Amino acid sequence: RKEVEQDPGPFNVPEGATVAFNCTYSNSASQSFFWYRQDCRKEPKLLMSVYSSGNEDGRFTAQLNRASQYISLLIRDSKLSDSATYLCVVEGAGNQFYFGTGTSLTVIP
Amino acid sequence: GAVVSQHPSWVICKSGTSVKIECRSLDFQATTMFWYRQFPKQSLMLMATSNEGSKATYEQGVEKDKFLINHASLTLSTLTVTSAHPEDSSFYICSARGGLLGFYSPLHFGNGTRLTVT
Repeated sequence: RKEVEQDPGPFNVPEGATVAFNCTYSNSASQSFFWYRQDCRKEPKLLMSVYSSGNEDGRFTAQLNRASQYISLLIRDSKLSDSATYLCVVEGAGNQFYFGTGTSLTVIP
Repeated sequence: GAVVSQHPSWVICKSGTSVKIECRSLDFQATTMFWYRQFPKQSLMLMATSNEGSKATYEQGVEKDKFLINHASLTLSTLTVTSAHPEDSSFYICSARGGLLGFYSPLHFGNGTRLTVT
């Protein structure tokens, strides 16, 4: 079983829609959780760290469910500029980072 | 915020030559840096973990003699692709953990190096 599983999509949504991505992880001892955004032919950039209590940054909300071992990212009022690949990253023991395969999002005018 | 700089951004070289890629942490010290490779429309693949002052740890299937990693200081790691071949053409990215959150700091990525071997 993979350390991190993520639905690759693609997700094609109209502008203004709300879209949610989930990512499951296998190691219950995982310590830190992050969402990154990667544009085509660019490096991943940190979107949000995910905290146990959940956190929000503008139109973006990240949540962690330790009992079910998943993290989620909710994007409200989607913009064309949100089109990208969204990567979840989970930190295990020993400074090991595990990446999801990425979920492709295209926001359509 | 923490910044990781990678150089060069792109390079074209002839088959058989070697290419060195630098990864620098600009405003923090990184005892560990990570090197990845990404082929078009595929996921990031971890190649190796670079440890300051010691040998790198390579992932299974990555040839350590072909991809030489040197992490001589707390702010610089280099990846040298030796005797490059067209199949080595890829997007190479480094990352390092850094920031005020210490253990909970996220990874910061370099801007990547696009290598094309002709």
